[in-house]
Amino acid sequence: DTEVTQTPKHLVMGMTNKKSLKCEQHMGHRAMYWYKQKAKKPPELMFVYSYEKLSINESVPSRFSPECPNSSLLNLHLHALQPEDSALYLCASSPVDSRSGYTFGSGTRLTVV
Amino acid sequence: GQQVMQIPQYQHVQEGEDFTTYCNSSTTLSNIQWYKQRPGGHPVFLIQLVKSGEVKKQKRLTFQFGEAKKNSSLHITATQTTDVGTYFCAGPQGGSEKLVFGKGTKLTVNP
Repeated sequence: DTEVTQTPKHLVMGMTNKKSLKCEQHMGHRAMYWYKQKAKKPPELMFVYSYEKLSINESVPSRFSPECPNSSLLNLHLHALQPEDSALYLCASSPVDSRSGYTFGSGTRLTVV
Repeated sequence: GQQVMQIPQYQHVQEGEDFTTYCNSSTTLSNIQWYKQRPGGHPVFLIQLVKSGEVKKQKRLTFQFGEAKKNSSLHITATQTTDVGTYFCAGPQGGSEKLVFGKGTKLTVNP
């Protein structure tokens, strides 16, 4: 299995809702990432997990809460989001030394209304 | 912090013409990676360059890493409509796990 699977593919949520994005990989990668991508912009790093521990938080607002339950799963919990948080949220994984590049999932397109 | 600049931002070519995108870092990179993102898709890893002066080829794509390991280029020979998309270079920031992406070059190919 050489894929990163993200669910859901599309999500519309209100500003008072709580939702979660899920990401799964079975490539044995021990580094996993959350990126945010706005239209016509490059991916921007949000969080890095290495060996299931949070190693980088790019000063992301607390309304985004990551979780890594095990080496194959990565979640992003969303609460009280703002319309400007609407974007494509990409999960990626790689070997810890990242020498073979990142494998990205197809993303969750999030719309906050 | 480290910045990765990429030019041009957009490139329109006729099918069969060549295409080149350039990437320049403000600091020396341990490696540089290239990704392609099709319209409506997600970034797909193309290649990683590690050595100074390295040149790698994948069919019609040629990737180069500069001698100073601060710049890189991707050249596509005889573009095809299947080459359309945005090409991103990316480099690790300060040897960390943080991969910094250039702004990308959006390629359109007229048949």
